[in-house]
Amino acid sequence: LAKTTQPISMDSYEGQEVNITCSHNNIATNDYITWYQQFPSQGPRFIIQGYKTKVTNEVASLFIPADRKSSTLSLPRVSLSDTAVYYCLVGVSNTGKLIFGQGTTLQVKP
Amino acid sequence: DVKVTQSSRYLVKRTGEKVFLECVQDMDHENMFWYRQDPGLGLRLIYFSYDVKMKEKGDIPEGYSVSREKKERFSLILESASTNQTSMYLCASSLKGRGTEAFFGQGTRLTVV
Repeated sequence: LAKTTQPISMDSYEGQEVNITCSHNNIATNDYITWYQQFPSQGPRFIIQGYKTKVTNEVASLFIPADRKSSTLSLPRVSLSDTAVYYCLVGVSNTGKLIFGQGTTLQVKP
Repeated sequence: DVKVTQSSRYLVKRTGEKVFLECVQDMDHENMFWYRQDPGLGLRLIYFSYDVKMKEKGDIPEGYSVSREKKERFSLILESASTNQTSMYLCASSLKGRGTEAFFGQGTRLTVV
């Protein structure tokens, strides 16, 4: 499983767009990139997954460059309720084993 | 909606006790996981099961065992609880073939005194 590196923490203000970048230099051909969100005292929640280029859903966008050695989670116009820990995972969809890194703690300020 | 239910939200046990943490999922998922989460250490995988009676060690299996007799239920067992096993324990499940999209329970905060 490819190792991931992401910033330990980030601060933002309400209404701003937040971009969290994850490095995964050893990503394998079959690996997908997945992001989770975790609020205090709750289990992580799946946000978005992609393989290449761009994926968008109602929560976030995921940008993946051609070499796939990094990815960027983009949260548009954050609010206080987006304060959470965000985890980037890289792995193969059908093997099932999920290894989480340290995650990025996003603090949204008023 | 997928539901992953952990039997207890809070649990206090004594050192040396045998502790069972139960997890049930209602979506017929093949994969089930047990993690522990500690401040500054993130989520660490204890055990992973990809089918009934099948299991694989995660990063920190020492002091733990698991049981999966039925597809919907995955139990984590602390054979002899110790204070360093005080932690938040999280169970998750996922569908084979969509293994990177896992669903988590609310967690069990275990305190060993």
